[in-house]
Amino acid sequence: ETGVTQSPTHLIKTRGQQVTLRCSSQSGHNTVSWYQQALGQGPQFIFQYYREEENGRGNFPPRFSGLQFPNYSSELNVNALELDDSALYLCASSFRDREQETQYFGPGTRLLVL
Amino acid sequence: GENVEQHPSTLSVQEGDSAVIKCTYSDSASNYFPWYKQELGKRPQLIIDIRSNVGEKKDQRIAVTLNKTAKHFSLHITETQPEDSAVYFCAATKAGYSSASKIIFGSGTRLSIRP
Repeated sequence: ETGVTQSPTHLIKTRGQQVTLRCSSQSGHNTVSWYQQALGQGPQFIFQYYREEENGRGNFPPRFSGLQFPNYSSELNVNALELDDSALYLCASSFRDREQETQYFGPGTRLLVL
Repeated sequence: GENVEQHPSTLSVQEGDSAVIKCTYSDSASNYFPWYKQELGKRPQLIIDIRSNVGEKKDQRIAVTLNKTAKHFSLHITETQPEDSAVYFCAATKAGYSSASKIIFGSGTRLSIRP
């Protein structure tokens, strides 16, 4: 198992509500990436945080936002939830260096929007 | 745009036989290629990875090959066992650049091992 943890494990919300998901990175890691995994599909990159700043974003609207804290943990916030936001949300932590940046995934938060 | 294609989408092999999964990437700047295994309801787990300056890497029953010219890479599992049954994702990324090292995943291969 990796040292990456996420909370909560499961969440049920209704359309229009807001949600905050949390991720604690593995010790020694300074970068957190967030992914959305719909049922039966591969994870899709949402954004990445490095040194507390957003450092790259995938094709997700601005209602998906995030934070990274000084201890490198991170939050994903989603506003105005839509039914299609139902998915497994994965965070991955890594240590940025020049040659490779292996990303280790947390267990995920399963979000259901009704 | 950046894309990773993965084939086949499903694969069923007899226990003890070999399994091969193939992927193609579009971004020639990609330099790091991890493979993840995801069991039902669990997180993706890194099983092997390869850098662009290496053509082949092996770890026990698992091997990965990379052809940079053709932008192809493949996963080979030998002597398959029931616990190899899972969904496997290939991925490509540009590690070490100033922009985000986002992982681009393939669509996944559901591998089933027949007893």
